[in-house]
Amino acid sequence: DQQVKQNSPSLSVQEGRISILNCDYTNSMFDYFLWYKKYPAEGPTFLISISSIKDKNEDGRFTVFLNKSAKHLSLHIVPSQPGDSAVYFCAASAGSASKIIFGSGTRLSIRP
Amino acid sequence: GAGVSQSPSNKVTEKGKDVELRCDPISGHTALYWYRQSLGQGLEFLIYFQGNSAPDKSGLPSDRFSAERTGGSVSTLTIQRTQQEDSAVYLCVSSPSGGAPRGPDTQYFGPGTRLTVL
Repeated sequence: DQQVKQNSPSLSVQEGRISILNCDYTNSMFDYFLWYKKYPAEGPTFLISISSIKDKNEDGRFTVFLNKSAKHLSLHIVPSQPGDSAVYFCAASAGSASKIIFGSGTRLSIRP
Repeated sequence: GAGVSQSPSNKVTEKGKDVELRCDPISGHTALYWYRQSLGQGLEFLIYFQGNSAPDKSGLPSDRFSAERTGGSVSTLTIQRTQQEDSAVYLCVSSPSGGAPRGPDTQYFGPGTRLTVL
């Protein structure tokens, strides 16, 4: 039972354009959502997060949108840069002391 | 030590053998997670240690898997009678206060141990 789903295993975007990575979840108890970025041969690193009391959080080129009614969140990267090429994991947790559940990841490739 | 370390970095074993994977978290971090990533799959939660509380073992896939955290620091993940489906990268995560991070740089992933079961 996948509680956090990333239905697109890969995405290719032209440099300078917007990258949109999508994530769906099923557990209505999730109250905190995170995005991680992973380069090959490295562990994932935290990118950006959002609490369920918000619907948008922005940090530089990265913005996360949360639609609780649709149980959907998305990560927008604009403008996309070559260094953004990586695997992006969506994750969620329910409560401040609970474990984090990850999605399967989306491989983003930024083409020149 | 600057970060989370894991050993070995690679382990090849024969089906049926036992393996031990080690994680050295960041000193002072109270929370430690084990995840694994199989080929083409996401990060699968295995077990979560938080301070002196009983660990959350809900993600362990079978009773062949067990984990310990000694003295609130080093953790060992043991897989008994390994099977080919156990082949994956096993990741250890260290966090200063546990739960979901409320900001950047509060959750630290180790480099992982790549386990291959022949």
